[in-house]
Amino acid sequence: DQQVKQNSPSLSVQEGRISILNCDYTNSMFDYFLWYKKYPAEGPTFLISISSIKDKNEDGRFTVFLNKSAKHLSLHIVPSQPGDSAVYFCAASDVGGTASKLTFGTGTRLQVTL
Amino acid sequence: EPEVTQTPSHQVTQMGQEVILRCVPISNHLYFYWYRQILGQKVEFLVSFYNNEISEKSEIFDDQFSVERPDGSNFTLKIRSTKLEDSAMYFCASSAQGQEKLFFGSGTQLSVL
Repeated sequence: DQQVKQNSPSLSVQEGRISILNCDYTNSMFDYFLWYKKYPAEGPTFLISISSIKDKNEDGRFTVFLNKSAKHLSLHIVPSQPGDSAVYFCAASDVGGTASKLTFGTGTRLQVTL
Repeated sequence: EPEVTQTPSHQVTQMGQEVILRCVPISNHLYFYWYRQILGQKVEFLVSFYNNEISEKSEIFDDQFSVERPDGSNFTLKIRSTKLEDSAMYFCASSAQGQEKLFFGSGTQLSVL
């Protein structure tokens, strides 16, 4: 069951540069997408989200882009900082139901180097 | 900032034993969840809980699992007879409304020996 895929298990970016993390999904019923950041021994921390009625959402250094026709979303972090080093999970939620049943991707480990 | 708290942070148990994982969701939240992450795998949905009943559960959440909100603040996950494959990090989460961002606790690492 690979409804949400993050094909890059790891990414290394220099401090100050842009980090681009990608996510693909297969379930066309997904209508709400989220990015979570996770440090070791901690729970996932919400970063940014986007509804399927939008194609872009921006919050400070973080921007999420959604391409519904391609079933693809990406997270841009600019400029990248060493504190951004963590595992980033893409998650999606589908229409219907009252609660947020999130389907997660496998995560991308981002390393921001000095 | 309000947060979801989970206890214990680590739990070691023998196969076949019952375990109860405890969570205190954020106080004004109405939706509660359990997710788990087996080492090296993705975070998986187990169950959602709203208005004192299960609103949705996954295939993983079989008869060995149960959830309860025994009072106004705690939310528990019980595994009746643990199996080796139940070893995982279990995350509790809550949200104010359905269909929006979840706030996760730091997790309970369950090791079944």
